[in-house]
Amino acid sequence: QQQVKQSPQSLIVQKGGISIINCAYENTAFDYFPWYQQFPGKGPALLIAIRPDVSEKKEGRFTISFNKSAKQFSLHIMDSQPGDSATYFCAATPFNRDDKIIFGKGTRLHILP
Amino acid sequence: EPEVTQTPSHQVTQMGQEVILRCVPISNHLYFYWYRQILGQKVEFLVSFYNNEISEKSEIFDDQFSVERPDGSNFTLKIRSTKLEDSAMYFCASNREITGELFFGEGSRLTVL
Repeated sequence: QQQVKQSPQSLIVQKGGISIINCAYENTAFDYFPWYQQFPGKGPALLIAIRPDVSEKKEGRFTISFNKSAKQFSLHIMDSQPGDSATYFCAATPFNRDDKIIFGKGTRLHILP
Repeated sequence: EPEVTQTPSHQVTQMGQEVILRCVPISNHLYFYWYRQILGQKVEFLVSFYNNEISEKSEIFDDQFSVERPDGSNFTLKIRSTKLEDSAMYFCASNREITGELFFGEGSRLTVL
């Protein structure tokens, strides 16, 4: 069964610090890697996504780094703010569009004020 | 901005009762999904729906579950005989193209007593 392994399970970062969440996938059958942000009581919302033909994508304070050979990708949140406190899920979309999107188990991020 | 809407936001039911969760996907979207999230855990895929039929379902989506798109706007999830372990947040999602960019509703919390 295809999996996406996400770590850490929870993360506490000081305001202004860098938050880093890592994900790894187990096969090469994926071609789109989104990150979702979920606030308590809300549904997940797309934050940023990357395709494997690039090694990095940056949108404001959020950056995805992608290492195709290692089958790993990570989310970096620069200058972390209390408003970034949420649960973050990485996901992987397979080449075969008939297969389902695979989500990681989530990382609960808390930014200390 | 278009959004996925779900009703009810919270439903409490007795074990063995039937429950119907409703979703109105974004109007020009073609692919529809139900996901489940048990409290504090990851988002789990239940079923995907395209062209008026199920395109994929998970092992969670057993004979007690069914989905329907009764008209051009609604997308429903029915649980025929609820069990205690069905207590979770159920998220509807949709997308226009079968990419990883899912648009989630705010969820329906189901509590089975």
